[in-house]
Amino acid sequence: EAGVAQSPRYKIIEKRQSVAFWCNPISGHATLYWYQQILGQGPKLLIQFQNNGVVDDSQLPKDRFSAERLKGVDSTLKIQPAKLEDSAVYLCASSLVSSGANVLTFGAGSRLTVL
Amino acid sequence: DAKTTQPPSMDCAEGRAANLPCNHSTISGNEYVYWYRQIHSQGPQYIIHGLKNNETNEMASLIITEDRKSSTLILPHATLRDTAVYYCIVRLSYSSASKIIFGSGTRLSIRP
Repeated sequence: EAGVAQSPRYKIIEKRQSVAFWCNPISGHATLYWYQQILGQGPKLLIQFQNNGVVDDSQLPKDRFSAERLKGVDSTLKIQPAKLEDSAVYLCASSLVSSGANVLTFGAGSRLTVL
Repeated sequence: DAKTTQPPSMDCAEGRAANLPCNHSTISGNEYVYWYRQIHSQGPQYIIHGLKNNETNEMASLIITEDRKSSTLILPHATLRDTAVYYCIVRLSYSSASKIIFGSGTRLSIRP
């Protein structure tokens, strides 16, 4: 089966600019997650979707970050305006609850550098 | 905050068993223990999960104590490719709405 696709892999922008990341989950996976991973730290959950509805966005800085999952399939995470501290890898994951297992499959991530 | 505690780093000789501990003293009765690992520049990868019985798959074994307050991930014959950060997580298995919160994990280094 095809994995979780993310793009772009790398992005360099200046502070106050905007950026968007795209994620295409595994086909049939209803749940989609966006994580932020700062160098040296574990991934931090930003937002979790169930189909096209938001389950949890308590850690999403809503003054600058937004995310949508139209039609319950692929998703876009946007940052506007970017700050230096947004430099991180943005990981997308999807999951399907099956036979008692609720396993996340991650994409390779999008590395953002804010100058 | 993560509900698990792991040592920040460990090392192991190639070919030997790597035993990675995890404390989850506040685990509830319907929460499972999951292990993931993250190799440099990649997204985390699922390894194994369990509720209360020991589990084994092609990648590793998971040993959960009887009181379920701690567990150990065992890589039976570590190779250089097992060098990664290993994350222990507890979450509800049957609920897709349950959060999955990563701690800082254990950085495992395999010595040649």
